[in-house]
Amino acid sequence: NAGVTQTPKFRVLKTGQSMTLLCAQDMNHEYMYWYRQDPGMGLRLIHYSVGEGTTAKGEVPDGYNVSRLKKQNFLLGLESAAPSQTSVYFCASRDSGWGYTFGSGTRLTVV
Amino acid sequence: GENVEQHPSTLSVQEGDSAVIKCTYSDSASNYFPWYKQELGKRPQLIIDIRSNVGEKKDQRIAVTLNKTAKHFSLHITETQPEDSAVYFCAASKTAAGNKLTFGGGTRVLVKP
Repeated sequence: NAGVTQTPKFRVLKTGQSMTLLCAQDMNHEYMYWYRQDPGMGLRLIHYSVGEGTTAKGEVPDGYNVSRLKKQNFLLGLESAAPSQTSVYFCASRDSGWGYTFGSGTRLTVV
Repeated sequence: GENVEQHPSTLSVQEGDSAVIKCTYSDSASNYFPWYKQELGKRPQLIIDIRSNVGEKKDQRIAVTLNKTAKHFSLHITETQPEDSAVYFCAASKTAAGNKLTFGGGTRVLVKP
């Protein structure tokens, strides 16, 4: 039981490049979330999903897209990376209870 | 939407003393208030949570209090130890589509031996 797994753990992108971050959970959770964490600003919600095939916008969705084609996977895409997207990205999942289980994070640098 | 403010942003305490972190929230419909601890370079980990039908909850050296009327909640750590040094985040959510957590800005706690 791995919990929530994020890949990759680190990545450096050039401005304008695209990439996809993968979040996989093996707990059969319905709800999944993508947050970004910047110094002094806590965690801010980018997009979330309440079940397979569903997605919704969070607090800071601009510049990102997501897909939830399979229940266990939640993908976060950056179509054209910008330096403002340099951040640590955390995925989380939740079952019918309340607590989140977080992945280990992806540290992304856009130069 | 919900707004959660957290104070102080940094807190330095002597080992053995108590630490208190306070949060306020804006949405009176919020009914779930967790606290997360994040060590350097690690993921946030849930340490305690409270629901709106409870005023206080304790788990060993940590406790959380909730005042729904004033819309604020607090984390109390007693007998602090060096391993309590970390960043702590409060959060709030309500029973609604997505049950999204809104986080405070975090408090960096340093416990000095």
